[in-house]
Amino acid sequence: EIVLTQSPGTLSLSPGERATLSCRASQSVSSSYLAWYQQKPGQAPRLLIYGASSRATGIPDRFSGSGSGTDFTLTISRLEPEDFAVYYCQQYGTSPPFAFGPGTKVDIK
Amino acid sequence: EVQLVESGGGLVQPGGSLRLSCAASGFTFSFSSMNWVRQAPGKGLEWVSYISHSTNTVYYADSVKGRFTISRDNAKNSLYLQLNSLRDEDTAVYYCAKDKGERAIDYWGQGTLVTVSS
Repeated sequence: EIVLTQSPGTLSLSPGERATLSCRASQSVSSSYLAWYQQKPGQAPRLLIYGASSRATGIPDRFSGSGSGTDFTLTISRLEPEDFAVYYCQQYGTSPPFAFGPGTKVDIK
Repeated sequence: EVQLVESGGGLVQPGGSLRLSCAASGFTFSFSSMNWVRQAPGKGLEWVSYISHSTNTVYYADSVKGRFTISRDNAKNSLYLQLNSLRDEDTAVYYCAKDKGERAIDYWGQGTLVTVSS
């Protein structure tokens, strides 16, 4: 079973700053099956990145994903006010369970 | 426009049962694998179950295996989750979620709240 850990737990930044979120897997994950989601309070999650680096439809290019093997990164190049939210990584589509990481909260400094 | 609308949540006593439904529209349901994902109050996301488009393949999280059953009716564009032997820790918002080419979840419903309490 693949376990995902995310760091940091909380990231306090100001609008305009760069955010770097980490997702680490307990064993190698094919890049094709690593996804990132954004969730705001009271809302369902939204797909940001799939296949480790492909942006989902309608996602601004300030969001980018990278990584391979056991280490993956979500980068938000310049934080906009609407980007303050919780971000989850997930390994999906290969070996179940399709676990999520515990999440990283990006809040306003 | 893709729409996923869950129903069937509510208050149930420990040991009880519920059946959740998800009505899908705006895409070819019979071609899409589907999932259930839950979120306990104030907690993170927990993947619960997956069913392939043809129902040939189903998967469950260990926490629900043997108690929950996922199913679908492609003729009715509907996804289901039968919840049996419910426990306090099953209290959560349950989301119906559409698969994106076996690589991610690209659409989510708004969720239905299941509360297990005596």
